[in-house]
Amino acid sequence: GIQVEQSPPDLILQEGANSTLRCNFSDSVNNLQWFHQNPWGQLINLFYIPSGTKQNGRLSATTVATERYSLLYISSSQTTDSGVYFCAVRTRTTDSWGKLQFGAGTQVVVTP
Amino acid sequence: GAGVSQTPSNKVTEKGKYVELRCDPISGHTALYWYRQSLGQGPEFLIYFQGTGAADDSGLPNDRFFAVRPEGSVSTLKIQRTERGDSAVYLCASSLRGSGSNANTGELFFGEGSRLTVL
Repeated sequence: GIQVEQSPPDLILQEGANSTLRCNFSDSVNNLQWFHQNPWGQLINLFYIPSGTKQNGRLSATTVATERYSLLYISSSQTTDSGVYFCAVRTRTTDSWGKLQFGAGTQVVVTP
Repeated sequence: GAGVSQTPSNKVTEKGKYVELRCDPISGHTALYWYRQSLGQGPEFLIYFQGTGAADDSGLPNDRFFAVRPEGSVSTLKIQRTERGDSAVYLCASSLRGSGSNANTGELFFGEGSRLTVL
């Protein structure tokens, strides 16, 4: 199946800093989502971005589908940004449209 | 409802017991998914429903796990003869559709999960 690799695995930031999280995937995709899992375990949708660039407040994301990677940018980080960020993809296959494959996540800690 | 609803939020059971976990998807969503998340790992796919039928159950670990969605809305994940290794958070998600090229119809939305602890 498709491989999803996220880097870095861990990230410690000072409040106010900017950062970039990366997601590499091994096959063509028709769905790519970024999630933030908060300390209570809830998966919060950040972006649905199989291609192109989107921005939402201090967060933005870019997916270059032809080169099989996506980037999540966090600007002016805040302590509430702490948590695990997951990238998840679905491949362009006919046998399973539904399955979303997750990466291992990037654990982000923002310190005051 | 406004979001995906899962019950119970916490379940503690003894090894060998039977457990049912319930998921109520977002109203109008035809696709429903079950995932399992162990500590420190990303969610792992279990099963996906399109309507009432299981379109892909390749992630179910063994025949002790079974899921149903009899009316195409609420789904129940059933675990027989629970084992300590089944302890995890079980996540449910729904999407407007499971397939198709229309923008955002395949976007998944997750519930808060059911934390299962098998003693």
